[in-house]
Amino acid sequence: KAGVTQTPRYLIKTRGQQVTLSCSPISGHRSVSWYQQTPGQGLQFLFEYFSETQRNKGNFPGRFSGRQFSNSRSEMNVSTLELGDSALYLCASSLEGTNSPLHFGNGTRLTVT
Amino acid sequence: KQEVTQIPAALSVPEGENLVLNCSFTDSAIYNLQWFRQDPGKGLTSLLLIQSSQREQTSGRLNASLDKSSGRSTLYIAASQPGDSATYLCAVRPGTGGFKTIFGAGTRLFVKA
Repeated sequence: KAGVTQTPRYLIKTRGQQVTLSCSPISGHRSVSWYQQTPGQGLQFLFEYFSETQRNKGNFPGRFSGRQFSNSRSEMNVSTLELGDSALYLCASSLEGTNSPLHFGNGTRLTVT
Repeated sequence: KQEVTQIPAALSVPEGENLVLNCSFTDSAIYNLQWFRQDPGKGLTSLLLIQSSQREQTSGRLNASLDKSSGRSTLYIAASQPGDSATYLCAVRPGTGGFKTIFGAGTRLFVKA
């Protein structure tokens, strides 16, 4: 069974640009969540989607948005990039159910210059 | 507000030693606690998930315990090996506040050959 796939693996963008990251969950997983990982703040929750609906959102500005498609694939978008957005963005998928373990992809490394 | 703390931040041990990693959380209202390992530049690998009604889970040389009332969990690694070198993170799924997972900052483990 294929794991969680995130594309692209690396991105370099300039301040002010926007970026879209993609996540394909494990087959059969309908919940997808996104996290930002930085050396200073650690892993921080961005948002979680289930059946194309955002169920929860973390404490991030409106420049961060996401969506989920009918096949459970998800994208997140960051507009008007800032230097502080440089981070490893991780996607996780899980089955429905509060006690389903999270399975992570290898992440997208975003560098903003 | 749920907060997760991991002690120590870093640990260096000789090969073969048994070791314990600690995780504490401030709100005992959780659905589950999950332990992960992360290798440099990679995503997170799920190790063990303990549901709130459980006291411990075991997988191979790993044993995780949960004391919900005191807000503590430990990850015991038996007979450590150089391949165990990684960052270990614990994460809780709160019982309130929606579908999200709160992570600790991690313990960086180095096992010397």
